[in-house]
Amino acid sequence: AQSVTQPDIHITVSEGASLELRCNYSYGATPYLFWYVQSPGQGLQLLLKYFSGDTLVQGIKGFEAEFKRSQSSFNLRKPSVHWSDAAEYFCAVALMNRDDKIIFGKGTRLHILP
Amino acid sequence: DGGITQSPKYLFRKEGQNVTLSCEQNLNHDAMYWYRQDPGQGLRLIYYSQIVNDFQKGDIAEGYSVSREKKESFPLTVTSAQKNPTAFYLCASSMSLNEQFFGPGTRLTVL
Repeated sequence: AQSVTQPDIHITVSEGASLELRCNYSYGATPYLFWYVQSPGQGLQLLLKYFSGDTLVQGIKGFEAEFKRSQSSFNLRKPSVHWSDAAEYFCAVALMNRDDKIIFGKGTRLHILP
Repeated sequence: DGGITQSPKYLFRKEGQNVTLSCEQNLNHDAMYWYRQDPGQGLRLIYYSQIVNDFQKGDIAEGYSVSREKKESFPLTVTSAQKNPTAFYLCASSMSLNEQFFGPGTRLTVL
C-alpha cells in the first residue's frame, strides 16, 4: 500500500540554525509531492510542491525541498530558521492516475530554541 | 477574496446528538474533502467528493455523512454513531491532482 513516512515526530533546533525535515514515500511511480505547514489551531498552508522537472523546488518562507527518486525521499530544508517557523509540517503525496486523494504523513512538530 | 470557510470554529455536542459542520469554497474547485485530525495521527480522510452529487468514503467514514448538492458546499454531519467524535476537522478543496487548499478548521468537543 502507498504510504508516506515522516520519521521524526518532534525536532528541536536553535534559531538561526539550519533545518532538514525528512519524508519518504512508498509508491511504484513518481507521485506528486507536497509539503504543508500548520500553525496551532489553524488549517494547512502549502509550502511547496513537486510535479516534475527540476528536483530542487523552492517554496514560500525560504523553504526548499529536494526530490530524490533513488531514495524515494522529498526532504524539506531551510538554511536558517526563525522563531516563527515553529509549527507542524506535513509531507504529502498525490497518486497519479488515481482518484484525487492525497496521502499525508503523520507530521513533524518543529520547536525553535531562542 | 477566494478561499475556504468553515463554521463554526468551535462546536460542542452532547452525546447522542448529530451535528453538522459547514464547509464553503469560492475557488470553483471540483473536488472537496473532509479530514479528521487527532494529536500524533496526522490527517485521516473521512469523505471526499470529486463532482456535485457524488462522494466517496475515505478511510474513516463510519459515523459520518456528507452531501454535495452544490459545487461550493460540502457539509459534514457527525452522527451519534461516531463513538469518539472529539477532534479537529479540516475541509479542503482542489482541482484535479493539484494542491489542496484548506479551511481554518472546526474543533468539535463532546460534552
